[in-house]
Amino acid sequence: NAGVMQNPRHLVRRRGQEARLRCSPMKGHSHVYWYRQLPEEGLKFMVYLQKENIIDESGMPKERFSAEFPKEGPSILRIQQVVRGDSAAYFCASSPTSGRTNIQYFGAGTRLSVL
Amino acid sequence: DQQVKQNSPSLSVQEGRISILNCDYTNSMFDYFLWYKKYPAEGPTFLISISSIKDKNEDGRFTVFLNKSAKHLSLHIVPSQPGDSAVYFCAASDGGTSYGKLTFGQGTILTVHP
Repeated sequence: NAGVMQNPRHLVRRRGQEARLRCSPMKGHSHVYWYRQLPEEGLKFMVYLQKENIIDESGMPKERFSAEFPKEGPSILRIQQVVRGDSAAYFCASSPTSGRTNIQYFGAGTRLSVL
Repeated sequence: DQQVKQNSPSLSVQEGRISILNCDYTNSMFDYFLWYKKYPAEGPTFLISISSIKDKNEDGRFTVFLNKSAKHLSLHIVPSQPGDSAVYFCAASDGGTSYGKLTFGQGTILTVHP
């Protein structure tokens, strides 16, 4: 049973470019979460999605950031016009639809570097 | 506003001894707590969790204790092994309007010496 898959593992962008981060949840999971970890800090919640719905985006910056989880395919976190401050590790997590729904299982992360 | 705090940035323990990692929280709406372990360049791995209706949960070498009145939880690892060396994060969620959102502490680096 494959875990949460994130790609790419490393992404380098120049200031002003767009970054697209992908996340495929574990099989049988329909809830996806995105977190960001800045150096020397804990993980900060960004957004919680179910298929075709954004449930909670209270942690998303108001501008340049968007997320989606389409009916088919992976969840996408999109950052437009990246700035140096966007450099961080971005983690995706998923949780099951039933059973232990409180437990989130994490992918290996995408490390974004903005030059 | 740091709602979950891990006040010890690091902890060093001898192999075979007990490791105790601590976590404090301020939000009384939190009703579910989790501990994750994280190695460098990897994602957090779920270890153990506890609901606010319990005060203890045990899984093998890992035990989590919850003191609701003090808004404090701790993770005990016994016996500690060198492979336990990692960053440990506590996290909390509430089942109400913020369901699904985990709030993490800053992490504690555990080093277990052979």
